[in-house]
Amino acid sequence: NAGVMQNPRHLVRRRGQEARLRCSPMKGHSHVYWYRQLPEEGLKFMVYLQKENIIDESGMPKERFSAEFPKEGPSILRIQQVVRGDSAAYFCASSPLGLAGGPFEQYFGPGTRLTVT
Amino acid sequence: GQQVMQIPQYQHVQEGEDFTTYCNSSTTLSNIQWYKQRPGGHPVFLIQLVKSGEVKKQKRLTFQFGEAKKNSSLHITATQTTDVGTYFCAGTQGGSEKLVFGKGTKLTVNP
Repeated sequence: NAGVMQNPRHLVRRRGQEARLRCSPMKGHSHVYWYRQLPEEGLKFMVYLQKENIIDESGMPKERFSAEFPKEGPSILRIQQVVRGDSAAYFCASSPLGLAGGPFEQYFGPGTRLTVT
Repeated sequence: GQQVMQIPQYQHVQEGEDFTTYCNSSTTLSNIQWYKQRPGGHPVFLIQLVKSGEVKKQKRLTFQFGEAKKNSSLHITATQTTDVGTYFCAGTQGGSEKLVFGKGTKLTVNP
């Protein structure tokens, strides 16, 4: 059973370009979470999605960032017009159930290291 | 909003010494989870605590959840070099699916 897959593992973008980060959850998992991690920092929650629904996007910047989890295919975190401050590791995690169905440990992917030059 | 504070930020120990990291929340938590992240790696789930006063053990690791469900600790007995990494606590507040992570405690073990 493959774990959470993320690609690309490393992404370099120039200021003003778009970054697309992909996440395929573990088989059977319908809940996806995106986090951002700066060096020597903890993980900052960005967004929680279920298939075709954004459940909680309270951690997402209001502009330039968007996320989706379509019925078919991976979840996508999209960053438009990237700036140097967007440089970070972006982790995706999946879980089989939400809190109401608990327990809901999260399984993390290897992350995408985004560098904006 | 909910905040999760973790101390210490860094801990250096000699192999064989014990290690403890503490986690405190500004609000009562529904549950608390602990994760370990090796250098250059991704967080890996260790355990979840749900009940007030709960204590769980995994070999040399002991996890506690406070009576008020506002604090937690992870204790490692007789550290080994394989314990190196950053340990994060993360909690949820009632009704929310969102995990709020502490900033982590980075453990280094000198052989």
